[in-house]
Amino acid sequence: GEDVEQSLFLSVREGDSSVINCTYTDSSSTYLYWYKQEPGAGLQLLTYIFSNMDMKQDQRLTVLLNKKDKHLSLRIADTQTGDSAIYFCAESGGGATNKLIFGTGTLLAVQP
Amino acid sequence: DAGITQSPRYKITETGRQVTLMCHQTWSHSYMFWYRQDLGHGLRLIYYSAAADITDKGEVPDGYVVSRSKTENFPLTLESATRSQTSVYFCASSESLGGGGTEAFFGQGTRLTVV
Repeated sequence: GEDVEQSLFLSVREGDSSVINCTYTDSSSTYLYWYKQEPGAGLQLLTYIFSNMDMKQDQRLTVLLNKKDKHLSLRIADTQTGDSAIYFCAESGGGATNKLIFGTGTLLAVQP
Repeated sequence: DAGITQSPRYKITETGRQVTLMCHQTWSHSYMFWYRQDLGHGLRLIYYSAAADITDKGEVPDGYVVSRSKTENFPLTLESATRSQTSVYFCASSESLGGGGTEAFFGQGTRLTVV
């Protein structure tokens, strides 16, 4: 079945770049997403990328997609303490049901 | 207020009791979802609904019941709560099932503890 994996924890210093990685198994995934969850809150969509794209940039966020290796990454430039949160990747468009499948989430801790 | 709201925010219940978590959205989105969030598992889909009176199982449906008599409401019922159902539950709504780059909007979550 579909599976989405992420490392559990990443710690960076304020001002550095953060790179959060995600691997997925479903080669028929059409869209891949990054969601952010702040403490005590629900998830909010950060960005998404269509599977025929290699890269998408949105201000401080850069998404890279390596479809051959089924690897997705989210780079946050000039990381701020307000970026501290759990980041989830998710995929959809694959399989018969086309549902959103979420990864395990990566806790990003930004040290001042 | 526009958006998606869940109630209650926090709930403690005893093993064996029935408990219902409420979810209400104001956008008239067709799709609604229930997820549970557990450490090490991320978000797992419990049930989803494509429209009023249409529901389907997700990844972990056992022990849960849903209904959708109105488009805007999607309650989740634990028929006989167990300790393994202690979790944070999120409701979400979306225009689509998951494709097309459509955003899923999440509620604030309900933290349920079964003692």
